[in-house]
Amino acid sequence: NAGVTQTPKFQVLKTGQSMTLQCAQDMNHEYMSWYRQDPGMGLRLIHYSVGAGITDQGEVPNGYNVSRSTTEDFPLRLLSAAPSQTSVYFCASSQGTAAAEAFFGQGTRLTVV
Amino acid sequence: AQKVTQAQTEISVVEKEDVTLDCVYETRDTTYYLFWYKQPPSGELVFLIRRNSFDEQNEISGRYSWNFQKSTSSFNFTITASQVVDSAVYFCALSEVRLVAYKYIFGTGTRLKVLA
Repeated sequence: NAGVTQTPKFQVLKTGQSMTLQCAQDMNHEYMSWYRQDPGMGLRLIHYSVGAGITDQGEVPNGYNVSRSTTEDFPLRLLSAAPSQTSVYFCASSQGTAAAEAFFGQGTRLTVV
Repeated sequence: AQKVTQAQTEISVVEKEDVTLDCVYETRDTTYYLFWYKQPPSGELVFLIRRNSFDEQNEISGRYSWNFQKSTSSFNFTITASQVVDSAVYFCALSEVRLVAYKYIFGTGTRLKVLA
């Protein structure tokens, strides 16, 4: 039972480089989301999706793109990495109701130098 | 607007002490859900409990208990007889039902250190 799988676990980028963080879930969840975790800031929502083909911005979307072509996958793209994007990124999925608990991936620690 | 406040940034206790983690929320809605998650040193977030806005009964699960009070907009979490394995960052979160596409709002977390 894999749950939510994020790759990679660690990544170092140079300023200006682009990359994609992968997220896949095998629970047939409608709702998927990306958060970043920074010291003292908690978890902040970057983008979310309520189903295949439907995405929307969260609290801190600038510098990130997402797409949802399948129910299972929700990749996060960094277009041109900046040091301010150094963070730990979490992907989460849940059933499509406000009552549903979120299942989180193990996180990706990204450093932009 | 939605907001979740965890005023305690870090708490240190000695093993076997009781500890309460505070969570205060703001919402304009009458229907909403509150959650607690645990993030151990390994980094993953683990769901602990959910409470809906119409259920103010306190809940106990082993050494864990939760006190939900709508009058003070609080959803506090108490660990009785703390253990070293309880050391983690604990997050309180809020979701509102009224949103077509609901969003979780997290607090900034409380780091609990339980010393042997």
